[in-house]
Amino acid sequence: DAGVTQSPTHLIKTRGQHVTLRCSPISGHKSVSWYQQVLGQGPQFIFQYYEKEERGRGNFPDRFSARQFPNYSSELNVNALLLGDSALYLCASSLSTKNYGYTFGSGTRLTVV
Amino acid sequence: ELKVEQNPLFLSMQEGKNYTIYCNYSTTSDRLYWYRQDPGKSLESLFVLLSNGAVKQEGRLMASLDTKARLSTLHITAAVHDLSATYFCAVDMAPGGGADGLTFGKGTHLIIQP
Repeated sequence: DAGVTQSPTHLIKTRGQHVTLRCSPISGHKSVSWYQQVLGQGPQFIFQYYEKEERGRGNFPDRFSARQFPNYSSELNVNALLLGDSALYLCASSLSTKNYGYTFGSGTRLTVV
Repeated sequence: ELKVEQNPLFLSMQEGKNYTIYCNYSTTSDRLYWYRQDPGKSLESLFVLLSNGAVKQEGRLMASLDTKARLSTLHITAAVHDLSATYFCAVDMAPGGGADGLTFGKGTHLIIQP
C-alpha cells in the first residue's frame, strides 16, 4: 500500500512568490492535515480537512490556504512568501477527524530566498 | 492555549544505559502520541496512548501516560546507537480527536554513543 505521498520533495522560491504543495493520503483515509516544521522545532498545525471541508485551522496568517479534492488529496497554498516560511511542510492523513492514528508523509522542503 | 513541554531537549548517552524522556502538557487530554524523526526525514509513529495509565512497549522503548499528572514518559532501556534520533511527543486536544490538530513539543534530540 502506498503511504502518504507529497510533492514536490524540495522547492526553492523567491520572496513574494506563491507556492502550491500537494498531498495524497493513504487509500481510504478521508482526512488530511498540514503541519509546518521549522528547523530545530516541533511541527506546528496549519490546517485539517475532512470530506473537503476545513475542520481546523492553526495560528497562521491568511497567506496560507488549503483545499481538499473529491479524491481526498489536498493542496496547501502559500502566497507572498516570506523568508520565515522556509520549513519542512508535512502532510498527515487519518481515517477521519475522530480517528486516533496519523500517518505523516515525507514532507516538502521549502526554501525561500 | 495548550502547551507541551519536553525535557531534556538534548540528551547524549552511552550504549547500554537507561534513560527517560518526559513530556508535560498543560490542558486535559487523554490522547498522546510519540514520534521519532531521523535527520531530514518525516515523522515515524511510535506509540499512541489513549487512556490514563496506558503503557505500551516496543523493543527497547516503553511509553506511559498519566492524564491526572498530565505527564507522559518515554523510557529507553539498554540504548543502542540505532535509537539516535529526535523524539517528539504530541497531544491532541480536540474532543473526539483531530479537528484542532496535534500540538507538538520541541523534541528531544537523542545521541547514543558507542
